[in-house]
Amino acid sequence: GAVVSQHPSRVICKSGTSVKIECRSLDFQATTMFWYRQFPKKSLMLMATSNEGSKATYEQGVEKDKFLINHASLTLSTLTVTSAHPEDSSFYICSARDGRAGANNQPQHFGDGTRLSIL
Amino acid sequence: DAKTTQPTSMDCAEGRAANLPCNHSTISGNEYVYWYRQIHSQGPQYIIHGLKNNETNEMASLIITEDRKSSTLILPHATLRDTAVYYCIVANNNDMRFGAGTRLTVKP
Repeated sequence: GAVVSQHPSRVICKSGTSVKIECRSLDFQATTMFWYRQFPKKSLMLMATSNEGSKATYEQGVEKDKFLINHASLTLSTLTVTSAHPEDSSFYICSARDGRAGANNQPQHFGDGTRLSIL
Repeated sequence: DAKTTQPTSMDCAEGRAANLPCNHSTISGNEYVYWYRQIHSQGPQYIIHGLKNNETNEMASLIITEDRKSSTLILPHATLRDTAVYYCIVANNNDMRFGAGTRLTVKP
């Protein structure tokens, strides 16, 4: 089955540091990837849609200069949390859908998430 | 802005069938119904999806009403490992937006 790998699984860093999270589709090509954020005991909140070779589309209220997204290839999207502060601490999850023609309405597959803790 | 309504929580006895309902009365004709589950501190796991016909796979069965305004996910023989938050999502080849889901607790 389709596998999405997310790295790192956990990161702890000091306030002011920038943190990069990688999301890879291992056995399929993903023209579109999605980034979510989840607070404790809450549901997933869509942050942005990452499109290969073009700019990401951000949800209302999500700062694009704070959360930089790059989707340079069909198998890799990255989310960089710039100048992270304690309020950015959260569980970040990516997902991807098989972008092949005829794969419409195939399910998204999710990574295992990255737990970011800013001290 | 999820388009689904699910009970907040449910309990099920181990070995019995777990039936998780979902209301999606505003579903569009080309939107599919997807079910995922999330075990604590992991990413959501895909379970099953369907358009209008009932579907079955190795994990579960999906029953969609004829008017497509509601559906039920059935775990035929629940185990303790099925304890998780179950999300019902309607979408059409676009982004998926999660509601609060149903917290299913399987009890011995």
